[in-house]
Amino acid sequence: GEDVEQSLFLSVREGDSSVINCTYTDSSSTYLYWYKQEPGAGLQLLTYIFSNMDMKQDQRLTVLLNKKDKHLSLRIADTQTGDSAIYFCAEIPSQTGANNLFFGTGTRLTVIP
Amino acid sequence: EAQVTQNPRYLITVTGKKLTVTCSQNMNHEYMSWYRQDPGLGLRQIYYSMNVEVTDKGDVPEGYKVSRKEKRNFPLILESPSPNQTSLYFCASSPSPIGGYTFGSGTRLTVV
Repeated sequence: GEDVEQSLFLSVREGDSSVINCTYTDSSSTYLYWYKQEPGAGLQLLTYIFSNMDMKQDQRLTVLLNKKDKHLSLRIADTQTGDSAIYFCAEIPSQTGANNLFFGTGTRLTVIP
Repeated sequence: EAQVTQNPRYLITVTGKKLTVTCSQNMNHEYMSWYRQDPGLGLRQIYYSMNVEVTDKGDVPEGYKVSRKEKRNFPLILESPSPNQTSLYFCASSPSPIGGYTFGSGTRLTVV
């Protein structure tokens, strides 16, 4: 079957913007999520977007949704060293039931001081 | 503090020796799930529960069992662990089927 796809690695300089991209599988997915995993820790919900929205902004985070292309992106403005982590996008495909979050493989963001 | 607590954090065991990983949440969430995380594969759902005594299989349930006798607890049971179950395991809970999950800190299991 299809997978939720993400690039594995991204490096940016401190103070620059980071853009993490994700291609998800189900154009009918109602909610799409971004999670952050710091070293040795569990996943932390960063933000989510409902499928009837194109964009959501929350402080330094901007989520863009392109339903036609099934493309989701997370932009982090003024990236800091504390943003270094693995970022996962996730969807709940409509055909699998509401409890099953499908995760991408994760993008490891490295912020260079 | 609202949290999901897993125990143990680290476990090394031998093939075939039954083990249980405990998970407890203090947020009165109805929905709970177990995931395993493997390099290059992201997270895959093992089992989930929608309420007490209501559980169902996720994507990779083989070799695992769960129970939900109380709302706060959702243990993961490996009756006869095998080396391919070496992984990082996460328990998570949510107040609703569409709400974002709160994750535990993870249990790193090694089966030799």
